[in-house]
Formats: sequence, structure tokens, C-alpha cells
Amino acid sequence: DTGVSQDPRHKITKRGQNVTFRCDPISEHNRLYWYRQTLGQGPEFLTYFQNEAQLEKSRLLSDRFSAERPKGSFSTLEIQRTEQGDSAMYLCASSYGGGRENEQFFGPGTRLTVL
Amino acid sequence: AQSVTQPDIHITVSEGASLELRCNYSYGATPYLFWYVQSPGQGLQLLLKYFSGDTLVQGIKGFEAEFKRSQSSFNLRKPSVHWSDAAEYFCAVSGGSYIPTFGRGTSLIVHP
Repeated sequence: DTGVSQDPRHKITKRGQNVTFRCDPISEHNRLYWYRQTLGQGPEFLTYFQNEAQLEKSRLLSDRFSAERPKGSFSTLEIQRTEQGDSAMYLCASSYGGGRENEQFFGPGTRLTVL
Repeated sequence: AQSVTQPDIHITVSEGASLELRCNYSYGATPYLFWYVQSPGQGLQLLLKYFSGDTLVQGIKGFEAEFKRSQSSFNLRKPSVHWSDAAEYFCAVSGGSYIPTFGRGTSLIVHP
């Protein structure tokens, strides 16, 4: 199965540390999205890429957050100087094309716990 | 701006009973509407979507949803629930932006 994969699945870190997550999209998909999901809430959009270009960033994406997709394939999301409020599930999704009708395929997520 | 309201945080049904999960959206023009399901430890899976045409949409796993413009609703239904349907269900709307806005979700509990 070549669905969207994310690594690691779980990450526990201490406040102030940096963390990096990886997302591998479905290979032919040119769009990649990052979402954050906190307990009891739906996913909230963070940013998305078309190929290697980062086209949109949410106001939720503070300057401690940075995302890259260097070769238009996998993507990384880095959080610097983590805070307890960063504890959440970080979801990655990919799609082929960017129309509103294009289905996004989601990965299993990375659960971040900041102590 | 677009938004979604899922008024029920939890829904409990007996196995074999019918199910309806409510979703109300806010968007000025014709919305694109989606229902996703999320099982524990899994990513979100698309159940069905509505863009135009027939307002009754059939999806996977025996689910259907009906778009009612007059009520700004897109409720999800299933005639007979199975224990494996226990999960979190999210309604989403995509309006002028290509990025969907999700509701807070409804947790479905299925009693044997």
C-alpha cells in the first residue's frame, strides 16, 4: 500500500526542544498539506505545498514553525522551542491537483506531547 | 469566511439502528462538502463528497448524505449501523479557498 506515511507516529519532548516531523505523500500527488488537530477538535490547516513551492500559510503557523518540501516529494515540519500548547496531532495529507473537488488523502498523523 | 458546525459531540446508537449525524455549514455560494471518518490511530478517510447535481450523495461503507441548501445542512445517514462504524466523524466545507474547513467532529459510540 502506498498511502501517505508519517514519521514518527509519536513524539514526546521537553518544552524548549526542537522537533521535526516527516511526511511522505502518495508518489504522484503534487499537493501536500499540513494540519494540526487538538483533542476534541477537527483538523486545522497549517500550510500547503504545490510541488516544492509553499503557497499558503495559516495564521496558526507561528515563526517557530517551518515547513519544507525540498524536492517536491517528502515534506518536513519543524517546530522550534516547543511549548506545551504545541501538543497536538499533526496530520499530513496529499492530493493530485488543487481543485476544491480533489480528494485529500491523510496520513495517520504524528502525535506530539510537550512536557 | 466558511465554517462548519457539528452540533452533536457524541452520538450513541445500538448496533443495527439507523444513524444521522448533523452538519451545518456557512458559506455564501455553492459549497463543496465532505464527510470524513477517523478511527483511533488512523488518518481521516473520505466517506463522500458533494459538489453539484443530485443532492443525495452515496458514499462508501453504506453511508449517504443529503445536501439541503435551504437549511445549510449536509447530514450523514446510514440505515443500519455496525459496531465497526464506531469512530469520529468530521464534516468539512470548501468554499472560495481550496482548503477545507473542518467541524469539531462527532464521536459515534455503538452499543451491541
